[in-house]
Amino acid sequence: QKEVEQDPGPLSVPEGAIVSLNCTYSNSAFQYFMWYRQYSRKGPELLMYTYSSGNKEDGRFTAQVDKSSKYISLFIRDSQPSDSATYLCAMSFVEMDSSYKLIFGSGTRLLVRP
Amino acid sequence: DSGVTQTPKHLITATGQRVTLRCSPRSGDLSVYWYQQSLDQGLQFLIQYYNGEERAKGNILERFSAQQFPDLHSELNLSSLELGDSALYFCASSRTATGSGNTIYFGEGSWLTVV
Repeated sequence: QKEVEQDPGPLSVPEGAIVSLNCTYSNSAFQYFMWYRQYSRKGPELLMYTYSSGNKEDGRFTAQVDKSSKYISLFIRDSQPSDSATYLCAMSFVEMDSSYKLIFGSGTRLLVRP
Repeated sequence: DSGVTQTPKHLITATGQRVTLRCSPRSGDLSVYWYQQSLDQGLQFLIQYYNGEERAKGNILERFSAQQFPDLHSELNLSSLELGDSALYFCASSRTATGSGNTIYFGEGSWLTVV
C-alpha cells in the first residue's frame, strides 16, 4: 500500500463547477499538507499549505485536512478552464533522526470544459 | 516564478552519453532536491543536498550522481544514458533541510530525451 493515495482521474467538469480533489494517507506521522498545481511539462507550483486539521481558504481554493480520517481535500469553487492541470497532494514530517520525509501523491488530472 | 532556475530546459542526447543538469536554488535557500518525472509517472525523489552535503537519498540509480557547490548551485550528472531515462528532471529548493515551512519550491524542469 502506498503511503499517499490519489485518484489519477482524469476529472472532467464544466466551467463554474465546484471541484473536489482528494488524497488519503496511511502514516499518522504526517504533519504538513500541501497541494501543488502542475501544468503540462511545467514545474509543480505550490497552491496551498496547511498544518492543522480543518479548513484553509485562499480565494477560490479551500484546503481541508481531517487527520482523524487521514484524508485531505482541495476544493476549487467557480472552476475555470485555466484551472485545467494536474493537482498533486504532498505531505511531510520530520523524523526522529531529523531527516525530512516528503511524499507526493501521483496527481489528479483536472479538465475544466468551457 | 518560484525563483528556482534550471538549465537546460530541453536536451536531446543519444544512448550511452552523459549529461549534466544544473540548478540554482532560490535566494537564501540552502537545500536542493532532485526529482524525476517520467510520462504518466509521479514525482520520484532522487536526492537531497543541504549546504553542500548529501542529506537524503531516494531512488537514484548508480549511473546518476549529484553535488552541491559552495555557491549552493547543484548539478545532476546522468551517465550511460538509456531510453528509459527520458523524463522531466526537476530541482526544488528550501531554506532549511526540512523544507521552508516544511515545503519546497520547484523549478521549471529540464526535459531530457534519450534517442
